[in-house]
Amino acid sequence: GNSVTQMEGPVTLSEEAFLTINCTYTATGYPSLFWYVQYPGEGLQLLLKATKADDKGSNKGFEATYRKETTSFHLEKGSVQVSDSAVYFCALIGYSSASKIIFGSGTRLSIRP
Amino acid sequence: DTAVSQTPKYLVTQMGNDKSIKCEQNLGHDTMYWYKQDSKKFLKIMFSYNNKELIINETVPNRFSPKSPDKAHLNLHINSLELGDSAVYFCASGPGTSGYNEQFFGPGTRLTVL
Repeated sequence: GNSVTQMEGPVTLSEEAFLTINCTYTATGYPSLFWYVQYPGEGLQLLLKATKADDKGSNKGFEATYRKETTSFHLEKGSVQVSDSAVYFCALIGYSSASKIIFGSGTRLSIRP
Repeated sequence: DTAVSQTPKYLVTQMGNDKSIKCEQNLGHDTMYWYKQDSKKFLKIMFSYNNKELIINETVPNRFSPKSPDKAHLNLHINSLELGDSAVYFCASGPGTSGYNEQFFGPGTRLTVL
């Protein structure tokens, strides 16, 4: 079945550092890929998405590129801020899965001032 | 305006009780979902309804019964609550069953079973 694997956390960085959170997936066909973010005490918000190979999703300085050859969708940001501290979830929806989201286990990110 | 709202935000109850969580969306979406997030932050889908019809039902105990009176509402009723039901429950909605569409999440209901 479909699955998502993302790097274990927690990840702690200093402000203005470069961020990478790795995400790989297993799916048949051509899934859509997402990054969701959960700020402390809040629900999930869509951060970015990509629906086909080589698409790049971007939002709020974050980027991720849909790499079919490596089945990856790594999240990157060039200069993180304290306000980026949150839990980040990589996720996919399979091509014919009636929009059932499969989430990764989440990566907690903490940014030091 | 709140797009997806849930009530209550917090729910503390005793084992064996029956409780309900309500969800409403004002986005005009056809599809609504319930997800469970455990203490390790792991998220898993429980149910999905499209235009009041059940389309996804994961291996959830039958003590959990979703009800959709109309396409803007999806409530979750839980019978005979157990300690392991303690979690945060998120409602979500989306514009259809296509895999290209994002889902919009509510703020969550933290359920604690004592």
